[in-house]
Amino acid sequence: SQQGEEDPQALSIQEGENATMNCSYKTSINNLQWYRQNSGRGLVHLILIRSNEREKHSGRLRVTLDTSKKSSSLLITASRAADTASYFCATDLGSSASKIIFGSGTRLSIRP
Amino acid sequence: DSGVTQTPKHLITATGQRVTLRCSPRSGDLSVYWYQQSLDQGLQFLIQYYNGEERAKGNILERFSAQQFPDLHSELNLSSLELGDSALYFCASSAQGSYEKLFFGSGTQLSVL
Repeated sequence: SQQGEEDPQALSIQEGENATMNCSYKTSINNLQWYRQNSGRGLVHLILIRSNEREKHSGRLRVTLDTSKKSSSLLITASRAADTASYFCATDLGSSASKIIFGSGTRLSIRP
Repeated sequence: DSGVTQTPKHLITATGQRVTLRCSPRSGDLSVYWYQQSLDQGLQFLIQYYNGEERAKGNILERFSAQQFPDLHSELNLSSLELGDSALYFCASSAQGSYEKLFFGSGTQLSVL
């Protein structure tokens, strides 16, 4: 079963625009992570935000976490062609921290 | 390069067969996770090992089994293969537990014909 669900499933934007992806989850968590996957390749960790944090930045990435709504968002500013990829949120199940569960992902396409 | 090595990269086999996928975690990482990714699907958590012991189990079929050896490498065994087992299988490692980020291998593409 999926713990996290990303929204939208697919997103196409113009290069230079900002991209926002959302993730909702069902149970309490210890932390939430975002990963990127280029087509058919292994996932790459982008950012981790702990349950007691509300916002985190890393370069052009901004992640927010709202534990009351059980949701997170990933904002990529000033998008580039190289940002074209699938983006996944991953949560650990608070009661069983060993399971890191991934959502179904958002496919982001950047148009030149 | 994540430092996680998976072999083989590609595997083509027939229904009913058995295969073994191998994963070497990053140097020093004690945890190994296995995931299955079907075409255009998210990642399904299969199983996690920590320092040789099974720590968590996901929706892993009874036909599948895994283990982590004393040198910390891990193997995922898939038996009585079915067409639906065709997928990309990823291994990931982390330094400890689930509070650290995962480093993913490049995956093994399994095709069951």
